[in-house]
Amino acid sequence: DAGITQSPRHKVTETGTPVTLRCHQTENHRYMYWYRQDPGHGLRLIHYSYGVKDTDKGEVSDGYSVSRSKTEDFLLTLESATSSQTSVYFCAISQWTSGNEDTQYFGPGTRLTVL
Amino acid sequence: QQQVKQSPQSLIVQKGGISIINCAYENTAFDYFPWYQQFPGKGPALLIAIRPDVSEKKEGRFTISFNKSAKQFSLHIMDSQPGDSATYFCAARGYSSASKIIFGSGTRLSIRP
Repeated sequence: DAGITQSPRHKVTETGTPVTLRCHQTENHRYMYWYRQDPGHGLRLIHYSYGVKDTDKGEVSDGYSVSRSKTEDFLLTLESATSSQTSVYFCAISQWTSGNEDTQYFGPGTRLTVL
Repeated sequence: QQQVKQSPQSLIVQKGGISIINCAYENTAFDYFPWYQQFPGKGPALLIAIRPDVSEKKEGRFTISFNKSAKQFSLHIMDSQPGDSATYFCAARGYSSASKIIFGSGTRLSIRP
């Protein structure tokens, strides 16, 4: 699992409230990613990070912000949660192999429900 | 927008049969095509991957067939087993330092005993 943990694993919140999801990795990987998974859409990239304080948007970044103040932690924030943000959120890291091939490894996911 | 189209959405195969999942892509700049397997309640995990300079890659019962001219690739699971029941995602990545991956919509595979 490349040493990736996500917290919380489950959360129920109300529309309009702020929510922060945490991704923690223990292996000093440079690249980290946040995806959301919804039926019929596969996994869609929200934001990614290529180093401390270096982040960029993915394809579905509206309504989300991220921060990375330490190598090991990548935070995803929903400033004002909406029902359309009900989803399963996955964090991932990229790890390079000896064949100069990189593979993304995913965390266990956080199931977020916005009522 | 870059897309990877995956079919079928769901698939039921008898134990011992061959499971086939198909994907098509649009962007010729994609240079890496992984397949991910996901069990309920878990994150996706890399199953097998291929680069466009080869037409086929086999790892055990899993084979990727790649047709560069048609911009299509497929996953074949030989001698399908109940333990193969999972959701499968094809994906594609363009060359960049950020390694951003575009995923297909997924195929829910069920293997009947």
